[in-house]
Amino acid sequence: GQNIDQPTEMTATEGAIVQINCTYQTSGFNGLFWYQQHAGEAPTFLSYNVLDGLEEKGRFSSFLSRSKGYSYLLLKELQMKDSASYLCAPMDSNYQLIWGAGTKLIIKP
Amino acid sequence: ETGVTQTPRHLVMGMTNKKSLKCEQHLGHNAMYWYKQSAKKPLELMFVYNFKEQTENNSVPSRFSPECPNSSHLFLHLHTLQPEDSALYLCASSQASIAGDPYNEQFFGPGTRLTVL
Repeated sequence: GQNIDQPTEMTATEGAIVQINCTYQTSGFNGLFWYQQHAGEAPTFLSYNVLDGLEEKGRFSSFLSRSKGYSYLLLKELQMKDSASYLCAPMDSNYQLIWGAGTKLIIKP
Repeated sequence: ETGVTQTPRHLVMGMTNKKSLKCEQHLGHNAMYWYKQSAKKPLELMFVYNFKEQTENNSVPSRFSPECPNSSHLFLHLHTLQPEDSALYLCASSQASIAGDPYNEQFFGPGTRLTVL
């Protein structure tokens, strides 16, 4: 079956760094997406990885290891506005996104 | 209007009512999606349309009926819903993913918060 595993909730301090892990099992693989979703709002795209390695985009970076079925999202210089849920979503062989339940990130001053 | 819009934003309906949710995308995409999001659960894909043709129906009960009259509009018709159908219904659009080009991020609308009494 297809399965996504990511922590339910994490807490971090403003200005710090946090890493949100995601492990996945899918039928085929066509890359992995990370989305951010603020409470009561729609998800918005953050990153896409299809090859192994680290993709950096400003304060956010995303890493992928296909052989391990593992990805992480790294957030640096945390700001209060980063408080949100972060959704890991690999794409399967049918080009469908398989969504995790999301990690709720709480930023404290 | 830009991006993906959804109406209504909030809907309260009784179990015997019939209502419709509307989604419109202004991005020139050719794939549209309906998702259900319940509290603390993963997004559940309900329906997918590629080039106006339904390509996915993930075992959704028949009380949910999608309609895609053109590549810019998507409807979700609702009838005789149950209280457990109360959730946030999200519409999304993207370019259709094809072999060799799977990278097509989905753009989401703001959602319709549905409450079934």
